[in-house]
Amino acid sequence: AQTIHQWPVAEIKAVGSPLSLGCTIKGKSSPNLYWYWQATGGTLQQLFYSITVGQVESVVQLNLSASRPKDDQFILSTEKLLLSHSGFYLCAWSLVTNTEVFFGKGTRLTVV
Amino acid sequence: GNSVTQMQGQVTLSEEEFLFINCTYSTTGYPTLFWYVQYPGEGPQLLLKVTTANNKGSSRGFEATYDKGTTSFHLQKASVQESDSAVYYCVLDPDTNKVVFGTGTRLQVLP
Repeated sequence: AQTIHQWPVAEIKAVGSPLSLGCTIKGKSSPNLYWYWQATGGTLQQLFYSITVGQVESVVQLNLSASRPKDDQFILSTEKLLLSHSGFYLCAWSLVTNTEVFFGKGTRLTVV
Repeated sequence: GNSVTQMQGQVTLSEEEFLFINCTYSTTGYPTLFWYVQYPGEGPQLLLKVTTANNKGSSRGFEATYDKGTTSFHLQKASVQESDSAVYYCVLDPDTNKVVFGTGTRLQVLP
């Protein structure tokens, strides 16, 4: 069975500090991977997607970056957090486009 | 560009009432459309999916019909239960890996 694991579960970080969020997918080879962001009470905004190792496409610019160092790993990061980065970050995967997207349990980030 | 519109931010019903959540979309071509449901503190999960090939999807008593003429993809359920309380998202996948979520409709079902 496929599993998706996100870490950490929650973070409280200071403005201007760096951030690294991670996601691992087990049980599925070469999935499409996605990062989503959800402001409190807001909708989901797709941030990045990756269809293969080493290739990441940006969907919106939020002063964040993403990398896919391994087939089953997706990293979201920034060197300097802003207050506006607060929210719920979700990693997700799918087999191909137009198919079900499976979401992780998310990381709640609070920037203070 | 691609967009999804959900006008109802909040819907409150009593158990066994009929649910209708409006969704319209804008895109070129023939996208795949989904409804996802999100419970508090969790990631969204697929409720149902519809393509141009099958036009209609159903799951757990929920139904949605893909109407290319009116570019609508409304969600319906004949009789809601308290356990249906959640946020429902209409989602457009235009086959570009750039999936578009609607703003969501929060359903509250009163016992």
